[in-house]
Amino acid sequence: ETGVTQSPTHLIKTRGQQVTLRCSSQSGHNTVSWYQQALGQGPQFIFQYYREEENGRGNFPPRFSGLQFPNYSSELNVNALELDDSALYLCASSPGLAGVGREQYFGPGTRLTVT
Amino acid sequence: QQQVKQSPQSLIVQKGGISIINCAYENTAFDYFPWYQQFPGKGPALLIAIRPDVSEKKEGRFTISFNKSAKQFSLHIMDSQPGDSATYFCAANGQNFVFGPGTRLSVLP
Repeated sequence: ETGVTQSPTHLIKTRGQQVTLRCSSQSGHNTVSWYQQALGQGPQFIFQYYREEENGRGNFPPRFSGLQFPNYSSELNVNALELDDSALYLCASSPGLAGVGREQYFGPGTRLTVT
Repeated sequence: QQQVKQSPQSLIVQKGGISIINCAYENTAFDYFPWYQQFPGKGPALLIAIRPDVSEKKEGRFTISFNKSAKQFSLHIMDSQPGDSATYFCAANGQNFVFGPGTRLSVLP
């Protein structure tokens, strides 16, 4: 059983550009959540996908968008990058939405730097 | 109302001592409370979690104490080891997960 993987590990982009981050969920997990973690802070919820449908969204603007694919892998897209978007982006997968299915397992993250 | 407050911000404990981290919440719709451990350059790792229908849960050296009426919960790390030095996050889940700001724990050898 493989864990949650994310790519790329590090990324440097220029303000105004667009970026796509990728996540492969843990085997057997149909739910993926994305988080933004600024330096020295806790993860902030961006959105969650359950069986390819968005199932909740945090306080992030529409330029943050996502997709979940039939194999439950996921993408996070950020348009019109701003300097404040510099952060560690974390993907977490879980077996479902209720009960012990809510146990989330995080990937190692993608470190995004916007210059 | 969606916030989870966490204290202390940082904690220094001698090897073999007890580390205690506290969290508080407002939203009574939260019904699942996990704790995560994060090492530098890594993603958070699930340590232990509790539901509000129990007051305590223990797994190895880690114990969660939960006080539903006070809307507070805490993590106790018994016999703290230098390898426990990391940042610890409490979280709460209702509709979505809300994380505390973290506690940086240093265990001195």
